[in-house]
Amino acid sequence: DAKTTQPPSMDCAEGRAANLPCNHSTISGNEYVYWYRQIHSQGPQYIIHGLKNNETNEMASLIITEDRKSSTLILPHATLRDTAVYYCIAGLNTDKLIFGTGTRLQVFP
Amino acid sequence: GAVVSQHPSWVICKSGTSVKIECRSLDFQATTMFWYRQFPKQSLMLMATSNEGSKATYEQGVEKDKFLINHASLTLSTLTVTSAHPEDSSFYICSAKISGAGGELFFGEGSRLTVL
Repeated sequence: DAKTTQPPSMDCAEGRAANLPCNHSTISGNEYVYWYRQIHSQGPQYIIHGLKNNETNEMASLIITEDRKSSTLILPHATLRDTAVYYCIAGLNTDKLIFGTGTRLQVFP
Repeated sequence: GAVVSQHPSWVICKSGTSVKIECRSLDFQATTMFWYRQFPKQSLMLMATSNEGSKATYEQGVEKDKFLINHASLTLSTLTVTSAHPEDSSFYICSAKISGAGGELFFGEGSRLTVL
């Protein structure tokens, strides 16, 4: 599975959009980009995933660059409850997801 | 979304005892379940892949005799930490993959083990 690189931490004001970047320059053509988040002392929560096209659901949007070497998770209107560690994972499927260190997003009032 | 439940959510035990953690998929069948371990301020580390009706596949460095995994039905996998020691204290998380096409993955709430 391709390795991903994320900034260790980010801050975002409540109500503003949170844009979380992820680099996956060695991703292969058939590997998806998955995003999960983990709120303190809970299990990870699925957010969104994509292959080539941009994706949107009720939680977030995923923007994947044309060369697929990087992506951005967008939380359009961050709330305090979005404070969590966000993991970007590249993989063929959800088998054996390998979690990196993620980005710790702090949403402040 | 689908629900994966772990029990107990937290447990404290004495050194040398064994502890069993259950992982249940409440509203779907899961041919495959995964067990992770997470130490404080660290990321999740995959321990093993559990397939219903067969032996679990352990990741490198994980002792299979120490961490016994049983996946006896399509909705239940158990992790038993045998002869627990303080260094086994950790947050144990399971995930379950929906059987069939698509194969969405859902995580349990985690079980915090403290070994005294």
